[in-house]
Amino acid sequence: AQSVAQPEDQVNVAEGNPLTVKCTYSVSGNPYLFWYVQYPNRGLQFLLKYITGDNLVKGSYGFEAEFNKSQTSFHLKKPSALVSDSALYFCAVKPPGWSNTGKLIFGQGTTLQVKP
Amino acid sequence: DVKVTQSSRYLVKRTGEKVFLECVQDMDHENMFWYRQDPGLGLRLIYFSYDVKMKEKGDIPEGYSVSREKKERFSLILESASTNQTSMYLCASSLPSGGRNEQFFGPGTRLTVL
Repeated sequence: AQSVAQPEDQVNVAEGNPLTVKCTYSVSGNPYLFWYVQYPNRGLQFLLKYITGDNLVKGSYGFEAEFNKSQTSFHLKKPSALVSDSALYFCAVKPPGWSNTGKLIFGQGTTLQVKP
Repeated sequence: DVKVTQSSRYLVKRTGEKVFLECVQDMDHENMFWYRQDPGLGLRLIYFSYDVKMKEKGDIPEGYSVSREKKERFSLILESASTNQTSMYLCASSLPSGGRNEQFFGPGTRLTVL
């Protein structure tokens, strides 16, 4: 079955340190990959996506993610974390061959806690 | 900016009631989605619609139905609410283009069924 995994329920990092939120996927072929963020009591906001081309994609709020085909991963990174980055992060994938309706498979979510 | 609005932020209903959750988007998007979000389970797709009056079941459609009479509005209906439908409900919309486009989400409706 096609799936997305976020292996960590929570990631804790000190402000100013680099952060990584992990995502791995299990689909056949080349998927489209997305990261979303959810701040408390808010809907999800789009951060960045990988469709094709350069494996390193940059997004909103200083975040970036690297597509690694051999490891089937799409980890979210930021060089220097801010307390305001504390939120719930979701990885999502659109498998190739799915309909063109834009349906996505979402991971379970990872809570990022940045401490001052 | 795309705006997706949901009719209520918080809703409390009783078991057996018929519940309507409304979602409206203002960017002429063809695709619209209803998800439920539960801790540890991420987002699970209930139904989606790719055009007016067109709909497809998602992963967990049981106990739900939807209506899309106008392009901008997508309604989720709980025919007879049950306590296990207590959850956060998120609506989203997107343009087509083969799934390359990101989804835009509403603020969510936190539904409690007593």
